[in-house]
Amino acid sequence: GAVVSQHPSRVICKSGTSVKIECRSLDFQATTMFWYRQFPKKSLMLMATSNEGSKATYEQGVEKDKFLINHASLTLSTLTVTSAHPEDSSFYICSARDTKSLINRINEQFFGPGTRLTVL
Amino acid sequence: KNQVEQSPQSLIILEGKNCTLQCNYTVSPFSNLRWYKQDTGRGPVSLTIMTFSENTKSNGRYTATLDADTKQSSLHITASQLSDSASYICVVSASGGKLIFGQGTELSVKP
Repeated sequence: GAVVSQHPSRVICKSGTSVKIECRSLDFQATTMFWYRQFPKKSLMLMATSNEGSKATYEQGVEKDKFLINHASLTLSTLTVTSAHPEDSSFYICSARDTKSLINRINEQFFGPGTRLTVL
Repeated sequence: KNQVEQSPQSLIILEGKNCTLQCNYTVSPFSNLRWYKQDTGRGPVSLTIMTFSENTKSNGRYTATLDADTKQSSLHITASQLSDSASYICVVSASGGKLIFGQGTELSVKP
């Protein structure tokens, strides 16, 4: 149980195009999902918190118009990198918080396998 | 300032040997501490989660300890295998749900 998938696993695109990454919780409901970015040899950096049915909360320094987040259902959040540039090339990881874990206060988050974005 | 610091930054050991990774944190208010294993090009996978009242937790060959007084945690790996080569990340959850990530320890197990 508690599986989170991401699609695609890797994508290569031309500069100026937009890329959509999907994050799905496969066997649990997630009112909250998180989007992270990871550079080589570095730890995960939180970009935004995605809440089902409401606007995402972005971390300081993350452009909301650049990284569009939609959390339309309890099992799906999408991150769209708009007008991608080479500096957007990175490893993007999502995580989903099991709604039930709020009850036991563990705040369990399950991570997806990541999406490698390369912008040429 | 909430911070999680790990040591060593990297570690090379021979297959079959044991090793211990360290994590010091200054996170308040503290909720729980987790250790994750992240293989190259993959997402983190949870190894252990410990709350304030737990001193130790095991998951197979992985044993995590937590000293909430000194704000230190360790992850001990027994009888290492080649597949243990990965980045090990210590993550502290503050009350309210925010995760504070350590920079990770890169472990390489050599035959």
